[in-house]
Amino acid sequence: GQQVMQIPQYQHVQEGEDFTTYCNSSTTLSNIQWYKQRPGGHPVFLIQLVKSGEVKKQKRLTFQFGEAKKNSSLHITATQTTDVGTYFCAGHLNFGNEKLTFGTGTRLTIIP
Amino acid sequence: SAVISQKPSRDICQRGTSLTIQCQVDSQVTMMFWYRQQPGQSLTLIATANQGSEATYESGFVIDKFPISRPNLTFSTLTVSNMSPEDSSIYLCSVGGPAGGSTDTQYFGPGTRLTVL
Repeated sequence: GQQVMQIPQYQHVQEGEDFTTYCNSSTTLSNIQWYKQRPGGHPVFLIQLVKSGEVKKQKRLTFQFGEAKKNSSLHITATQTTDVGTYFCAGHLNFGNEKLTFGTGTRLTIIP
Repeated sequence: SAVISQKPSRDICQRGTSLTIQCQVDSQVTMMFWYRQQPGQSLTLIATANQGSEATYESGFVIDKFPISRPNLTFSTLTVSNMSPEDSSIYLCSVGGPAGGSTDTQYFGPGTRLTVL
């Protein structure tokens, strides 16, 4: 079954509000990646986190990797209409294994 | 990042027929993968396309149903055989390990939207 879960499944926010999606794995991950998929589009790589407790920022986006390397979060500050899409986390369950396991995804919609 | 194209972009097929999807990359890559994404769902890995050897299939996917070719480091095909309406989905090719890049990051093609009647 699905080993990487994300919550919430859906999120509707007013433009300008913040948004957070959480990613939880049943097993330790060697790394965590985040992808964004716009409606009708394909997943696009955003970032990769490797170290326990790592935090990275990309403009309004903040990514965290948990200390136990089993969870992660993506936080968007002051959402804009361009943030609309589904955000997926994905991880390598075993070190050296090229296979990525994708999370269930969080679909973000923005109310203008 | 690598530039990836897929053909066809979409198709409508009759049940019982087969469709071959092509994935072309503009540079040599180490890893090529095929995913399925059903409407509103996450991505499920079908198989890893290995150059020069048989593909490695994930649980629930078999070679007879989804034969894969990988004749070189820039090209792969996925065939969806003996289709049924349950095969209606988006099929995505992805690559990892572009020349000089990380083998961890994956880049996705635009996808092939398949509808089976």
